[in-house]
Amino acid sequence: DAGVIQSPRHEVTEMGQEVTLRCKPISGHDYLFWYRQTMMRGLELLIYFNNNVPIDDSGMPEDRFSAKMPNASFSTLKIQPSEPRDSAVYFCASSWDLASSTDTQYFGPGTRLTVL
Amino acid sequence: QKEVEQNSGPLSVPEGAIASLNCTYSDRGSQSFFWYRQYSGKSPELIMSIYSNGDKEDGRFTAQLNKASQYVSLLIRDSQPSDSATYLCAVNSNSGYALNFGKGTSLLVTP
Repeated sequence: DAGVIQSPRHEVTEMGQEVTLRCKPISGHDYLFWYRQTMMRGLELLIYFNNNVPIDDSGMPEDRFSAKMPNASFSTLKIQPSEPRDSAVYFCASSWDLASSTDTQYFGPGTRLTVL
Repeated sequence: QKEVEQNSGPLSVPEGAIASLNCTYSDRGSQSFFWYRQYSGKSPELIMSIYSNGDKEDGRFTAQLNKASQYVSLLIRDSQPSDSATYLCAVNSNSGYALNFGKGTSLLVTP
């Protein structure tokens, strides 16, 4: 399996521009997670989906952030408008659905976002 | 706010020594505990999971859990320079699928 795929790997944009990050989870995984990592705050969960349905978006910092999962093999995280404080590494992760315990989350390579 | 606390380090150990990494968590309802390793510029990868009090061994790695003290640790025996990385402690939330991560401990194994 190719693992979790994210694109782009690097994104540099100017403040006020729209940014779209993309993720393809591992085939067969029912859960998809979006995380943001910064030196100051560490790795933070933004939102996660189960079977394409958003379950918990309490980590989304504000209305400028939105996430969608139109099908089982694709998700997007959009920031509009972007601000310099959004600069971070954004990770997508996926896992199988196990009712009894939390399964391993497999992380993608991340997208390093720089907002100037 | 559910918190996971780790000493940021860096923790420096000589090659061949035992590295001991510690983590405390605030949510007494947590049931699942994980250690992820993250090399610089790379994504986190799972190295250990533990669900019950006591020790769990996997090769050179041992995870220890004490729910009464809300404490989880990772021991790395015979440390190698290739173990130099940041180690992230993660604890599940009440939902069971969302993880709260600590900020990580940087480990440096010197030859």
